[in-house]
Amino acid sequence: AAGVIQSPRHLIKEKRETATLKCYPIPRHDTVYWYQQGPGQDPQFLISFYEKMQSDKGSIPDRFSAQQFSDYHSELNMSSLELGDSALYFCASSQLDNTETQYFGPGTRLLVL
Amino acid sequence: AQSVSQHNHHVILSEAASLELGCNYSYGGTVNLFWYVQYPGQHLQLLLKYFSGDPLVKGIKGFEAEFIKSKFSFNLRKPSVQWSDTAEYFCAVNLNTGTASKLTFGTGTRLQVTL
Repeated sequence: AAGVIQSPRHLIKEKRETATLKCYPIPRHDTVYWYQQGPGQDPQFLISFYEKMQSDKGSIPDRFSAQQFSDYHSELNMSSLELGDSALYFCASSQLDNTETQYFGPGTRLLVL
Repeated sequence: AQSVSQHNHHVILSEAASLELGCNYSYGGTVNLFWYVQYPGQHLQLLLKYFSGDPLVKGIKGFEAEFIKSKFSFNLRKPSVQWSDTAEYFCAVNLNTGTASKLTFGTGTRLQVTL
């Protein structure tokens, strides 16, 4: 079965640089979520989109922005990167129905030097 | 705001031992409950989920969980663990609203199974 695809899988950036993370949801899934998992921590919700509209917003810094495109893929744009942004960034997708279940991608490991 | 508590942060078991990991949540409304597993260096995989109906749910790899509404708990169990079950286990909750709903995770339990 098709899974959530994320690219790149690994990313190394310098402080103050920008990064763009991409997420391709499972086919026919209409909702995308972004989570950030710091070292040894639980995933923290950043932002979500349903049918290309932002549906919820969590602890996402103002330096970050995201959108969902017409083909349902999503991109997380991160600017003015800080050392503390080093983390694993997961995307999850779901199909909004009575049993909404989020399926996670493999994540993008971002290291800011 | 909803929250999830996992009381066991690190559990060490021998192979064939029985496992029970605790999970409690704070929200009193209608929630969906999940257990995810994260093997070393890998992404979150769904073990099992509860939405409604039979409070005892069975998942993959021999895991099961019981939803006890009166205790706001959703404990994960496995009768006999294997070395390959070594991983981090996360309990998660979201609101059953019929709309897109973020997951709130517990802090995770690191399970180490020894041979």
